[in-house]
Amino acid sequence: NAGVTQTPKFQVLKTGQSMTLQCAQDMNHNSMYWYRQDPGMGLRLIYYSASEGTTDKGEVPNGYNVSRLNKREFSLRLESAAPSQTSVYFCASSRQGNEQFFGPGTRLTVL
Amino acid sequence: KNQVEQSPQSLIILEGKNCTLQCNYTVSPFSNLRWYKQDTGRGPVSLTIMTFSENTKSNGRYTATLDADTKQSSLHITASQLSDSASYICVVSVITGTASKLTFGTGTRLQVTL
Repeated sequence: NAGVTQTPKFQVLKTGQSMTLQCAQDMNHNSMYWYRQDPGMGLRLIYYSASEGTTDKGEVPNGYNVSRLNKREFSLRLESAAPSQTSVYFCASSRQGNEQFFGPGTRLTVL
Repeated sequence: KNQVEQSPQSLIILEGKNCTLQCNYTVSPFSNLRWYKQDTGRGPVSLTIMTFSENTKSNGRYTATLDADTKQSSLHITASQLSDSASYICVVSVITGTASKLTFGTGTRLQVTL
């Protein structure tokens, strides 16, 4: 039981490049989330998926897109990376309304 | 403005000592309050969760308290260990539909030294 896994762990991009962050959970959770964590700020919700087939914007969705591929997988895509998207990205999952379990994070640097 | 404020921002204590971390929140409607521990380079891990009707919750050497009237919570760590060095994040939850939305504090960075 791996919990929540994320790939890659580290990534460096140039401005304008695109990439997809992958997230998978093996806990049969319905809900999945993407957050970013920046120095001096609390984690902020980018997008979430309450259940398979649905996605909704969070607090800071601009510049990102998501795909809930199936119940296990929830990906985050940066179409044209900007330096302001340099951050640590966390994926999380939960049963409806219950505790969220977090992945180990992806550290992204955009030059 | 962040609706979950934590203090202090950072704290250094000697191994074996106790400490208390504070959290004030203005998020509403309130569903529950959680304390998470985040080790450097890792994702947050839940320590305790309390609903508005609970005043205290313990998890080993960690004890969380909640005063829903004053919207304050604290996390008390007893007999600290080097492994307690981490960031401690207060998180307030609002249930919206089938997903929980969390508002995170900025955390208290605790360093336990010899």
